[in-house]
Amino acid sequence: QVQLAQSGAEVKKPGASVKVSCKASGYTFSNYGITWVRQAPGQGLEWIGWISTYNGKTEFAQKLQDRLTMTTDTSTSTAYMELKSLRSDDTATYYCARVFGDPDYWGQGTLVTVSS
Amino acid sequence: DIQMTQSPSSLSTSVGDRVTITCRTSQGIRNDLAWYQQKPGKAPKRLIFGASTLQSGVPSRFSGSGSGTEFTLTISSLQPEDFATYYCLQHNSFPYTFGQGTKLEIK
Repeated sequence: QVQLAQSGAEVKKPGASVKVSCKASGYTFSNYGITWVRQAPGQGLEWIGWISTYNGKTEFAQKLQDRLTMTTDTSTSTAYMELKSLRSDDTATYYCARVFGDPDYWGQGTLVTVSS
Repeated sequence: DIQMTQSPSSLSTSVGDRVTITCRTSQGIRNDLAWYQQKPGKAPKRLIFGASTLQSGVPSRFSGSGSGTEFTLTISSLQPEDFATYYCLQHNSFPYTFGQGTKLEIK
């Protein structure tokens, strides 16, 4: 069965970086893209970016593109999302999801808390 | 960017009610729209893709319709497990955009 397993919760100080992993199983990793979505506490869903697992092409939300990096490791079927220069308003649950058009299977989410 | 307008933002409803949620897009997106259900502390769950195709395993009381710029999600007879927040998502072009969400509450 398709599963996306994300890394555990993180607490970071303002200005630091965070890297969240998303390990895929149950399907051919390179046949689907990975998208990342975040949700601040009590707020709605916000799309933040997409990566092609086939060629590494990326698309980012404009507000984050200067601080956001997405990569994949096809040898381990793992996608990574790194956000730099963290601010308090980056506090959110970050989700990865498999994409072929729209997201179908989702990871369980990773809570990233930015606090001094 | 494609703007999404989802309405209503919240709805007080009862078991057995028929519910309709609407998403409008700022430009035509063909049928590149999906609907998701989210319960507190959980990841979103896809209900509908391609605007009107029911995800396998999702009850048939859920249905989607629309094309172009106006889309609807209908729940024909609300069940207790349907009280949740619902989101639309356009994936016609980057950046993908979500609607603001509709929270269904028990009356």
